[in-house]
Amino acid sequence: NAGVMQNPRHLVRRRGQEARLRCSPMKGHSHVYWYRQLPEEGLKFMVYLQKENIIDESGMPKERFSAEFPKEGPSILRIQQVVRGDSAAYFCASGEETQYFGPGTRLLVL
Amino acid sequence: GENVEQHPSTLSVQEGDSAVIKCTYSDSASNYFPWYKQELGKRPQLIIDIRSNVGEKKDQRIAVTLNKTAKHFSLHITETQPEDSAVYFCAARNYGGSQGNLIFGKGTKLSVKP
Repeated sequence: NAGVMQNPRHLVRRRGQEARLRCSPMKGHSHVYWYRQLPEEGLKFMVYLQKENIIDESGMPKERFSAEFPKEGPSILRIQQVVRGDSAAYFCASGEETQYFGPGTRLLVL
Repeated sequence: GENVEQHPSTLSVQEGDSAVIKCTYSDSASNYFPWYKQELGKRPQLIIDIRSNVGEKKDQRIAVTLNKTAKHFSLHITETQPEDSAVYFCAARNYGGSQGNLIFGKGTKLSVKP
């Protein structure tokens, strides 16, 4: 049973470009959470999605960030017009009560 | 909203000693408390969790205690080994409530010296 999968594992973007991060939950899981982790810090909640629905986006910046979890395919976290401050590790997790984390996408904005 | 405080931020112990990490939470509605271990450059991995209807849970060398009245929970690692060295995060959640997300503490960097 494959775990949570994320790609790409590493992503380099220049300021102003777009970053698209993908997350495939564990088989059978329909709940996906996205978290951001800055270097040497804890994980901060961004958004909680179920298939085709955003349940809670209270942790996601209003500007430039969006997320979706379509009926078919992975969940996508999209960051438009990236800035240096967006450089971080982005983790997704799936599960209901217990959340299992993917390996993360490390975004570096030059 | 929920706020989770975690102490200490760094902890150094000798191999074979015990390590204790403490967390407090603010929202009395929180009912699920997992602990994650994160090695450098890796994903957070669940090591143990406890629900609010239980006061203590043990899994081999790892145990977690929960005091609902004090809104306090702790991770205990006995007979520490060098491979226990990592950053440990506590978290709290109101499972079934209006928010589904975990609120994390800031982490404890545990170093186990051989």
